[in-house]
Amino acid sequence: TQLLEQSPQFLSIQEGENLTVYCNSSSVFSSLQWYRQEPGEGPVLLVTVVTGGEVKKLKRLTFQFGDARKDSSLHITAAQPGDTGLYLCAGLTGFQKLVFGTGTRLLVSP
Amino acid sequence: EAGVAQSPRYKIIEKRQSVAFWCNPISGHATLYWYQQILGQGPKLLIQFQNNGVVDDSQLPKDRFSAERLKGVDSTLKIQPAKLEDSAVYLCASSPAGGPWTENTEAFFGQGTRLTVV
Repeated sequence: TQLLEQSPQFLSIQEGENLTVYCNSSSVFSSLQWYRQEPGEGPVLLVTVVTGGEVKKLKRLTFQFGDARKDSSLHITAAQPGDTGLYLCAGLTGFQKLVFGTGTRLLVSP
Repeated sequence: EAGVAQSPRYKIIEKRQSVAFWCNPISGHATLYWYQQILGQGPKLLIQFQNNGVVDDSQLPKDRFSAERLKGVDSTLKIQPAKLEDSAVYLCASSPAGGPWTENTEAFFGQGTRLTVV
């Protein structure tokens, strides 16, 4: 079983602070995705990274895929209350197999 | 475009009872997934279908869980008999591609069914 460990598990910060969420595995993935999930809803895709070392930016969010394609990070600049949610990384392997990480719950207070 | 539909949204049953969940994926999507999500954790893949064939069911507790996808469209997930530890949200997702993932491949999720076993 391929495991994706996320850290931290829970993060509570004030509006305007920066934060980084990490996603680590001992397995190599063909590509990696980040999702955000709000209460009562299914996860929604934020980004897909496919190349080792790749960096993608989505407004205040910066995603990086590790050179060895085993890890990834999500950095949020100047967090806002609307960023509150459960952040999930997901590794893509084999024939469209999508394996999720353990999750990071983010709470941004005004 | 209609999204992934799941029903029911909520279900409360007693332990040892049986329960079934239904999923209608986005039209034309070849791949369908069932995930189990314990509160506050990441989703755990239970079973993956490609059209009406099973691609991966390595983490499905086959002594009590079963799933089928007849005609490669709708799918049902059944638990019989249920245990207290089965309390979770059951998510269904679908994706369009029948081949390797690309940068634009995306899995679309339903809102899930919240199961409480008492």
